[in-house]
Amino acid sequence: DTGVSQDPRHKITKRGQNVTFRCDPISEHNRLYWYRQTLGQGPEFLTYFQNEAQLEKSRLLSDRFSAERPKGSFSTLEIQRTEQGDSAMYLCASSFRDRAGETQYFGPGTRLLVL
Amino acid sequence: LAKTTQPISMDSYEGQEVNITCSHNNIATNDYITWYQQFPSQGPRFIIQGYKTKVTNEVASLFIPADRKSSTLSLPRVSLSDTAVYYCLVGDGGSQGNLIFGKGTKLSVKP
Repeated sequence: DTGVSQDPRHKITKRGQNVTFRCDPISEHNRLYWYRQTLGQGPEFLTYFQNEAQLEKSRLLSDRFSAERPKGSFSTLEIQRTEQGDSAMYLCASSFRDRAGETQYFGPGTRLLVL
Repeated sequence: LAKTTQPISMDSYEGQEVNITCSHNNIATNDYITWYQQFPSQGPRFIIQGYKTKVTNEVASLFIPADRKSSTLSLPRVSLSDTAVYYCLVGDGGSQGNLIFGKGTKLSVKP
């Protein structure tokens, strides 16, 4: 499968615990995005990387959230001291940005439930 | 980034053609129009993208009038498996690149 993959697909944690999600983009895609989606809403942008550089963070990304993309390949999203309001689907997307534009391809998501 | 407006929901029957219209009055010159499909508990799936006139692929057609202030996604002969939420987005994927999703259109296809 050459699509975007995410791990784990589901995560249940207790409030106050830290969680980390992984995203493997489509090979050779230079951009990687993280979105969050709650029930009944469209995905909301969190942050994105061009290669290994994190170029933008949404105001939704509080200090408890951190994302990395070492070596411009896979990315991790960590949430520290989870809160019940963090319960959502976390989506990763990747794209190849060139002069012709870009199309983002999404992974299956990681569903987080904070008890 | 331009904001989009689309119907909250639509109903259809198997075998019918479905047209979902999206308004984007403030679309910028460099903006493309992109449609995604999303099934429950899955990530959005790219359907089609266009800039002007008509674009067609194996899944759908996208009609864009000359003023580009709206666009219509056309799904030919829908089946039950086309029941999903459809999102219309505009943007040029420029220096920001992030997509702004609305609530989408929930399409329900009935037998």
